[in-house]
Amino acid sequence: DAGVTQSPTHLIKTRGQQVTLRCSPKSGHDTVSWYQQALGQGPQFIFQYYEEEERQRGNFPDRFSGHQFPNYSSELNVNALLLGDSALYLCASSLVVPSNYEQYFGPGTRLTVT
Amino acid sequence: LAKTTQPISMDSYEGQEVNITCSHNNIATNDYITWYQQFPSQGPRFIIQGYKTKVTNEVASLFIPADRKSSTLSLPRVSLSDTAVYYCLVEPSGNTPLVFGKGTRLSVIA
Repeated sequence: DAGVTQSPTHLIKTRGQQVTLRCSPKSGHDTVSWYQQALGQGPQFIFQYYEEEERQRGNFPDRFSGHQFPNYSSELNVNALLLGDSALYLCASSLVVPSNYEQYFGPGTRLTVT
Repeated sequence: LAKTTQPISMDSYEGQEVNITCSHNNIATNDYITWYQQFPSQGPRFIIQGYKTKVTNEVASLFIPADRKSSTLSLPRVSLSDTAVYYCLVEPSGNTPLVFGKGTRLSVIA
């Protein structure tokens, strides 16, 4: 049973460029959440997708957008990259089970903006 | 406003039991207490979750007092491979976004 997979593993971009990160959820999961983790900090919630719609969003600018496909995979897009966007981007998938909620995280994509 | 408070770092020798305490004074009735573990350059991994009293699995135990204002993650007989950052989260059940603090950096020494 494949867990959450993310691509690419590492990415280097220049300020002002655009980037797309990809995530495939754990088999059977239908909800995908994206998190940004700066060095030395805990992950910060960006947004969550369910049934191909953005359901919840954290405190991130509109430069951050996403998409979920019918097969539940997801993309995170970041436009007009800033140096401060350099971070580990984590994708997490889940399937709601009352009183037993767990999110499964992928290995992340390390984005470096120069 | 932080929902949880936990020590920034802890050191332990191999083979010892490690207890990491988390404070969550404003926990709501429908909140669960969840702990995640994260190794460098990897995503967090679910360790254990509980609502009250004690929960035990093959990895750890979670102790929650009656007032639920704190919780303690107990790792029995730690090894070098347990060196990681441990996050305490307080969240309602369901697909709510996880709110991570800075976690506790555990260093296990030989």
